[in-house]
Amino acid sequence: AQSVTQLDSQVPVFEEAPVELRCNYSSSVSVYLFWYVQYPNQGLQLLLKYLSGSTLVESINGFEAEFNKSQTSFHLRKPSVHISDTAEYFCAVSEGGTQGAQKLVFGQGTRLTINP
Amino acid sequence: ETGVTQSPTHLIKTRGQQVTLRCSSQSGHNTVSWYQQALGQGPQFIFQYYREEENGRGNFPPRFSGLQFPNYSSELNVNALELDDSALYLCASSLGGPGYTKFFGPGTRLTVL
Repeated sequence: AQSVTQLDSQVPVFEEAPVELRCNYSSSVSVYLFWYVQYPNQGLQLLLKYLSGSTLVESINGFEAEFNKSQTSFHLRKPSVHISDTAEYFCAVSEGGTQGAQKLVFGQGTRLTINP
Repeated sequence: ETGVTQSPTHLIKTRGQQVTLRCSSQSGHNTVSWYQQALGQGPQFIFQYYREEENGRGNFPPRFSGLQFPNYSSELNVNALELDDSALYLCASSLGGPGYTKFFGPGTRLTVL
């Protein structure tokens, strides 16, 4: 069975500092990996995803994540954070399966707080 | 193109009651899945519908049931509500097939008293 572990429940950082949100997964088959962001009182928005190909994937707002198969990790990084990045971040994994049966398994979430 | 919408936004029920939550898919999407997000937790998969048929279910009891309609909108029904059912219920739509992005609605906040 798939599982996702987000190693930090809360990460406080200062504005313009770099940040890394850690995510490890377990699965016996090949996987697809996702990072979603949830702003207060809102649903989830896709930040970036890894399906295949280059192990480094980037989002339009400066985040990037690297798929590391040997370490079963998909850590999210940003070199310089902004106040507006304050949110809850969820790592998720899905397995390719039968048509349509691709549920997402989420981690517990990491609350990123940016301090001025 | 409209995004995923859910109704109602908030709902308060008492134990033992029944509730129906609604979701309108993003245009062109044939797959709808539902997730339960308890406070401070990650979303948990409830079930998924593909072209009106349930094709995946998580570890939720049978009192959680659903429907998908020909226009691909969907309902989540919960019978015999329990206090632990209090959560944010998220609907996500996508195209069928592995790797397609799931687009989430804003959710329905259910409180069971």
